Amino acid sequence: EDKVVQSPLSLVVHEGDTVTLNCSYEVTNFRSLLWYKQEKKAPTFLFMLTSSGIEKKSGRLSSILDKKELFSILNITATQTGDSAIYLCAVGFGSGGSNYKLTFGKGTLLTVNP
Amino acid sequence: SAVISQKPSRDICQRGTSLTIQCQVDSQVTMMFWYRQQPGQSLTLIATANQGSEATYESGFVIDKFPISRPNLTFSTLTVSNMSPEDSSIYLCSGMGTYGYTFGSGTRLTVV
Repeated sequence: EDKVVQSPLSLVVHEGDTVTLNCSYEVTNFRSLLWYKQEKKAPTFLFMLTSSGIEKKSGRLSSILDKKELFSILNITATQTGDSAIYLCAVGFGSGGSNYKLTFGKGTLLTVNP
Repeated sequence: SAVISQKPSRDICQRGTSLTIQCQVDSQVTMMFWYRQQPGQSLTLIATANQGSEATYESGFVIDKFPISRPNLTFSTLTVSNMSPEDSSIYLCSGMGTYGYTFGSGTRLTVV
């Protein structure tokens, strides 16, 4: 059965701390790994990773994928209270050309205290 | 990336009734999906909305309970039928294009 496991499930830090969120996966016909930030209802896209070892960066956030060890990490440096959210990892899988489905992990609830 | 408008944003419904949720994408997407997120849980895929044909449902979800339409490449609806309190969830549509996956703004459904 395909699965995506995120850790930790929840994390409380102080402003300015650096955090690392983990995502491991086991799927058939891996296509991509995506990170989302969910504050209210709609997940907001952060990164899509398809190649191993290439870091993607956006401001204080960065992410990297290891396709050999089947995991990805999301780093957030100099955290701010506005980073408080659920961070979701999703893995795209399927063999049908350029179209595929996502399966989601349970998410990491990050709380950043002032 | 595409922008997906989803409505209603929230609703409170009586058990036994049905609610139809709409999603409109501002550009063509190759695939559209419908997800459910129950309280405290992650997103679960309900079905893939196929243009002009019946949706493809995931295990545990059936057409009679969650009928889906997708008459063209930019619009889809999900109906939650004969609702019970267990259907109280956030429902999300998603579109996949060359940019990756984008989500609609979500519908928070409460069944009383």
